[in-house]
Amino acid sequence: NAGVTQTPKFRILKIGQSMTLQCTQDMNHNYMYWYRQDPGMGLKLIYYSVGAGITDKGEVPNGYNVSRSTTEDFPLRLELAAPSQTSVYFCASSSASEPTNYGYTFGSGTRLTVV
Amino acid sequence: GQNIDQPTEMTATEGAIVQINCTYQTSGFNGLFWYQQHAGEAPTFLSYNVLDGLEEKGRFSSFLSRSKGYSYLLLKELQMKDSASYLCAVTDSNYQLIWGAGTKLIIKP
Repeated sequence: NAGVTQTPKFRILKIGQSMTLQCTQDMNHNYMYWYRQDPGMGLKLIYYSVGAGITDKGEVPNGYNVSRSTTEDFPLRLELAAPSQTSVYFCASSSASEPTNYGYTFGSGTRLTVV
Repeated sequence: GQNIDQPTEMTATEGAIVQINCTYQTSGFNGLFWYQQHAGEAPTFLSYNVLDGLEEKGRFSSFLSRSKGYSYLLLKELQMKDSASYLCAVTDSNYQLIWGAGTKLIIKP
């Protein structure tokens, strides 16, 4: 059981470049999330989805876009990379019926540097 | 605004007990989580409290007082592998998770 799989693990982007961070889960979870974590800071919610075809903005959505065409996949798109987007990005998922017992399952993270 | 406060860093000795505190001010409350995060890794779920009182899970226990907006994570019989950051997170009235910045726990032999 793979859980939540994120790719790539590391990436260096130049200012203005674009990229997509991939996230796939095989637990049939309805809820999926994208967070960023800056050093010494708490996790900040970028976007979330409550099911295929439904997405919504979190606390810090500017500069990002998402889509949810299937239950399994929730890619995060950066269109014009800026140095302020240098961070560690985590994808997470949860079952709508039991988020309290098991919490969120996180992917291993993507460390992104924009230069 | 919504706010979660935790100490930035704590140091403890192997074999001892440590208590990590978390205070919160959020718009509504639907539960509090504790996560463990080793350096360079993803957070992993430790505990969940929604009612007042103590929840015990092996060496780890978590306490909640909703009236005081307060929780703590208690770690007993500390091991070197417990060196990690411990994140407190609260689910608000919209069922969104609000995260604290985490407490870095350093275990010394």
